[in-house]
Amino acid sequence: DTGVSQNPRHKITKRGQNVTFRCDPISEHNRLYWYRQTLGQGPEFLTYFQNEAQLEKSRLLSDRFSAERPKGSFSTLEIQRTEQGDSAMYLCASSLVEGISEAFFGQGTRLTVV
Amino acid sequence: AQSVAQPEDQVNVAEGNPLTVKCTYSVSGNPYLFWYVQYPNRGLQFLLKYITGDNLVKGSYGFEAEFNKSQTSFHLKKPSALVSDSALYFCAVRLWNSGNTPLVFGKGTRLSVIA
Repeated sequence: DTGVSQNPRHKITKRGQNVTFRCDPISEHNRLYWYRQTLGQGPEFLTYFQNEAQLEKSRLLSDRFSAERPKGSFSTLEIQRTEQGDSAMYLCASSLVEGISEAFFGQGTRLTVV
Repeated sequence: AQSVAQPEDQVNVAEGNPLTVKCTYSVSGNPYLFWYVQYPNRGLQFLLKYITGDNLVKGSYGFEAEFNKSQTSFHLKKPSALVSDSALYFCAVRLWNSGNTPLVFGKGTRLSVIA
């Protein structure tokens, strides 16, 4: 399968713990995006990369959140000192840089903070 | 700021009937518009996009969308609904009106096709 892969698919953590999610984009895609989706809402943009450079961060991305794409391939999203309000589906997507092409999404990581 | 609105939380349609899922947009400049579908426990799947050209855009699974500049709308349509079309549908627009920038999504419309 050459689609966008996210791991883990589900994560349950206690409040205050740190969690890290991984996203492997489609190999030829330079751009990688992170979104968060809560129940009854559409995905909300968090941050995105072009190769290893982080181009933009949303105001939703508090100081407890950090994302990296160290070699321009896979990306990680870390949440420190998790709070119950962090419970959501975290979606990763990738696309080409050129033109106006669609983004391809992974299946997401569902985080539950208890 | 770029935004889209999906005025209906839920759309119910009988199998075999035509369906429409509504989307209106607000952008500065030319809009780049997208429709995605989300099935339970699945990621978002791309259906179709409008960049320029013909106002009627054809996409996957028999879906099409009509771009209407005067009404700032981009409604998703299908001539004959299937039960398997039941899912959550999202309209989206590019965050910034250039290149492959992040998407801004609507809240979604849940489509239920009843046999």
